[in-house]
Amino acid sequence: NAGVMQNPRHLVRRRGQEARLRCSPMKGHSHVYWYRQLPEEGLKFMVYLQKENIIDESGMPKERFSAEFPKEGPSILRIQQVVRGDSAAYFCASSPRDRAHGYTFGSGTRLTVV
Amino acid sequence: AQRVTQPEKLLSVFKGAPVELKCNYSYSGSPELFWYVQYSRQRLQLLLRHISRESIKGFTADLNKGETSFHLKKPFAQEEDSAMYYCALSPQGGSEKLVFGKGTKLTVNP
Repeated sequence: NAGVMQNPRHLVRRRGQEARLRCSPMKGHSHVYWYRQLPEEGLKFMVYLQKENIIDESGMPKERFSAEFPKEGPSILRIQQVVRGDSAAYFCASSPRDRAHGYTFGSGTRLTVV
Repeated sequence: AQRVTQPEKLLSVFKGAPVELKCNYSYSGSPELFWYVQYSRQRLQLLLRHISRESIKGFTADLNKGETSFHLKKPFAQEEDSAMYYCALSPQGGSEKLVFGKGTKLTVNP
């Protein structure tokens, strides 16, 4: 079991470009969560998804950010028209329906906006 | 508002010394508390959850509702315990999201 896979590990974008971050959950996990970690900060919840459904997006910025978890394929976090303030580490986690053992985190994607 | 406070950004102890990483939370209900650890160049992983009341790698944590604290303790620190430690809270009612503290970097010196 390869665990939660995130790619790319590092992503550099110029201001105004789009960033696409991918997350493949662990086999058998149907719940995906995205977190953002700004420098010197803790992880901040962004969005919680199940297959084809957004369950809680209370932590997502209102503009430019979107997330999906299609029936087939990885979950995608999309940031349009990136700005310098979007530079951060973005972590994905997955869990089975029964969260008794908590989340499993991916290694993260470090986004740098230049 | 839900908040997790880890007052120490950095903590340094010598091998064999006791260690306590502090965590205080702010939440009006009955949350579930966790400790996550991130070793160098590795992903974040669950260390403890208060519900299970277990000891992992010699670490324990007791939820003190009166003091709204969930401090992580180990009586004899080891060099391999050096890592970033994050305290996290899950609100009551099956909410799936976690609220994290800013983390404490523990360094255990030989």
